[in-house]
Amino acid sequence: DAGITQSPRHKVTETGTPVTLRCHQTENHRYMYWYRQDPGHGLRLIHYSYGVKDTDKGEVSDGYSVSRSKTEDFLLTLESATSSQTSVYFCAISAGLAGGLNEQFFGPGTRLTVL
Amino acid sequence: GNSVTQMEGPVTLSEEAFLTINCTYTATGYPSLFWYVQYPGEGLQLLLKATKADDKGSNKGFEATYRKETTSFHLEKGSVQVSDSAVYFCALSDWKGANSKLTFGKGITLSVRP
Repeated sequence: DAGITQSPRHKVTETGTPVTLRCHQTENHRYMYWYRQDPGHGLRLIHYSYGVKDTDKGEVSDGYSVSRSKTEDFLLTLESATSSQTSVYFCAISAGLAGGLNEQFFGPGTRLTVL
Repeated sequence: GNSVTQMEGPVTLSEEAFLTINCTYTATGYPSLFWYVQYPGEGLQLLLKATKADDKGSNKGFEATYRKETTSFHLEKGSVQVSDSAVYFCALSDWKGANSKLTFGKGITLSVRP
């Protein structure tokens, strides 16, 4: 199994509070991703990183920011949590091999509830 | 843009039944195609993959063939087991230089009853 951990695994917070989720990898993969999973929507990409300090937006990036100061860590921050951000958040990593074979490995997920 | 369309679910089957889950895609160029599986309470795991037209991916009795002419990557299994109960996601990879992303379908829940 790919070495990916997410913390915390569960969190309950209140509307308006800041929240940071952490993804940590031991694979030294270049690419890291944050997704959210919601019923009826599948997985939607929030932000991704293609190297240290190199990040870009996904399809649902509003209300989220990310940082990657080290290869192994990718942080997702909700500056001011809202109830619409209640979701399960997954981190993924990829070596990003040339030729389109972008096989991603997923972490166990973080269940976030915003009251 | 790229998109993946999966058949509507959920799907309920009896053990040993034949399974087909449809997946079609829209993409420019030559994407790689994937099926991921998510067991209850877990993250996604890669089930199988195909990187070019007519490739067949297979794993754990599941198969899918990359059909460029019909832009499809349907998942099949000849005899499902209760342990196959999970959510299945079809996805495609679009490689564009420094940007490497997957586009997922909405997923379909499979329940297999004894």
